[in-house]
Amino acid sequence: KAGVTQTPRYLIKTRGQQVTLSCSPISGHRSVSWYQQTPGQGLQFLFEYFSETQRNKGNFPGRFSGRQFSNSRSEMNVSTLELGDSALYLCASSLSDRGIGETQYFGPGTRLLVL
Amino acid sequence: AQSVTQPDIHITVSEGASLELRCNYSYGATPYLFWYVQSPGQGLQLLLKYFSGDTLVQGIKGFEAEFKRSQSSFNLRKPSVHWSDAAEYFCAVGIPPNFGNEKLTFGTGTRLTIIP
Repeated sequence: KAGVTQTPRYLIKTRGQQVTLSCSPISGHRSVSWYQQTPGQGLQFLFEYFSETQRNKGNFPGRFSGRQFSNSRSEMNVSTLELGDSALYLCASSLSDRGIGETQYFGPGTRLLVL
Repeated sequence: AQSVTQPDIHITVSEGASLELRCNYSYGATPYLFWYVQSPGQGLQLLLKYFSGDTLVQGIKGFEAEFKRSQSSFNLRKPSVHWSDAAEYFCAVGIPPNFGNEKLTFGTGTRLTIIP
């Protein structure tokens, strides 16, 4: 069974632009979570989706948004990019809506560099 | 709110030696506890998790962790490390279902270097 895939793997943008990252969960998984990883702040939870609905949201500004499609694939969007948005964005999928009690499987991440 | 501390930023261990990575958490009750490993350029892989029951938890790759309520700790151990264990290790806590926002809070990580 294929793992979690994230596209693109690397991305360079300039300040003020917007970006969309994609995540395809493991087949059959219906929950997708997104995390931001930076050297300064570490790993921080962005949001979680299950059955196309946002279940939980971390403490990030409204410039960060996401959605989930009926096939469980998810996208996250960052508008008006800032230098501080440079990070590794990780997607994780899990089988059901049991929350963090369910094992999460992480993708390799998308590394975003904002210039 | 819950928090987790990994006091050691970087640890160097000789191949074949034992390993212990420290993790302390702050939460009013017993949270869910996790250890993840991240190899360079990779995502995170779950090593083991503790929800309740036996306080000594066995994981993959020969790792184990012990939950100590009195010390609010969940230290990761391995009796004999291999060069392939070089990676960054993250401890994480989560609030059990129905107790609030279900998300993982990660520690800052411990980078493990293995020397011959």
